[in-house]
Amino acid sequence: EAQVTQNPRYLITVTGKKLTVTCSQNMNHEYMSWYRQDPGLGLRQIYYSMNVEVTDKGDVPEGYKVSRKEKRNFPLILESPSPNQTSLYFCASNDLPRANTEAFFGQGTRLTVV
Amino acid sequence: AQKITQTQPGMFVQEKEAVTLDCTYDTSDQSYGLFWYKQPSSGEMIFLIYQGSYDEQNATEGRYSLNFQKARKSANLVISASQLGDSAMYFCATPTEAGTALIFGKGTTLSVSS
Repeated sequence: EAQVTQNPRYLITVTGKKLTVTCSQNMNHEYMSWYRQDPGLGLRQIYYSMNVEVTDKGDVPEGYKVSRKEKRNFPLILESPSPNQTSLYFCASNDLPRANTEAFFGQGTRLTVV
Repeated sequence: AQKITQTQPGMFVQEKEAVTLDCTYDTSDQSYGLFWYKQPSSGEMIFLIYQGSYDEQNATEGRYSLNFQKARKSANLVISASQLGDSAMYFCATPTEAGTALIFGKGTTLSVSS
């Protein structure tokens, strides 16, 4: 079954404690991205990756890091989380964005930073 | 820059009725696509339907259809014969010019009652 898997689904952490949200896809997609969703703001892109070792900033990259060492994995790293990073996070993958194919989204990770 | 506007924060409909969720877009691209996603209360993002700007016919997927009016820059989602399980938030989205991200509207919450 084609899917994007994120872990964990829920996470409560304290300010400043480094964390990683994992994302893995089994569709051999080159393109992967991270979004955050906040009430009243819709989804906003954090980072994206066009292929292995190729990553770039989205609209709201501050406070986040990513890596793409393998095609299937695209972890999101919060080196020093702050309360304003409390949000719902989604990983997504596509064949190619410009191919106008659907983006496959992970189940989401609800992060609370206290 | 691309922009998606969803002007209806909430919509209410009875079971078996049809409902239209509005989406207007602004893009300078000649070739573009419009996507609709459903987000139930469990949080995941579910792809519903896609319309390409050069598609001559309105897209349909089961009970979902897209009323695409290019001159008015609108891509409204029509759900026929609403079901209780249709209660969710619905997002309209389009790729950025560079094709590296999806731009989402702020969403419309649909509530279906029996």
